[in-house]
Amino acid sequence: KNEVEQSPQNLTAQEGEFITINCSYSVGISALHWLQQHPGGGIVSLFMLSSGKKKHGRLIATINIQEKHSSLHITASHPRDSAVYICAVKSSYNTDKLIFGTGTRLQVFP
Amino acid sequence: GAGVSQTPSNKVTEKGKYVELRCDPISGHTALYWYRQSLGQGPEFLIYFQGTGAADDSGLPNDRFFAVRPEGSVSTLKIQRTERGDSAVYLCASSSGTSELSYNEQFFGPGTRLTVL
Repeated sequence: KNEVEQSPQNLTAQEGEFITINCSYSVGISALHWLQQHPGGGIVSLFMLSSGKKKHGRLIATINIQEKHSSLHITASHPRDSAVYICAVKSSYNTDKLIFGTGTRLQVFP
Repeated sequence: GAGVSQTPSNKVTEKGKYVELRCDPISGHTALYWYRQSLGQGPEFLIYFQGTGAADDSGLPNDRFFAVRPEGSVSTLKIQRTERGDSAVYLCASSSGTSELSYNEQFFGPGTRLTVL
């Protein structure tokens, strides 16, 4: 069983739809990252959070430490949001390495 | 300012050959990370440096993989006797934090796509 699991693995949506991507983890963490990866492109950090909720533009990330769960929401989705969204956790205070989920491939159609 | 850069962007080699992959972190970043991403998978941790020293090399798959960061800035990932299974995108990231800080955002480079024929 992976230490970080994401769902769904693949997601298609029509432009304008509200999107939710989920991440569950089984290890104690000090921080969780949501990352975006475009085809053939590098990885961009969207959020880093350890509690509560963060918002940036149309993106919202929440985390529930007790339930070991985080969600990434995209409001009013747009075709340019099409990418792979990856959840990654920093597993302890003694190492800075990240443990990654396998990603959620999102396609938004006009 | 410049972000994390990696060279080459693509590397094709033959089985059994030696390769070096280079990472230039953001200037002033003390921490540097190497990850490997196979097709359709999320990245996997290989090694990270705090300054010149490897703080955690638990992700290196075997002794054919080695990384150095002699002056605490540029890092080189070295792979000996390459195998077809080494084909992947090798990602580098850097961050500004120290081990005393909990929240150190990592900034990723574009990756080097390694293909072993």
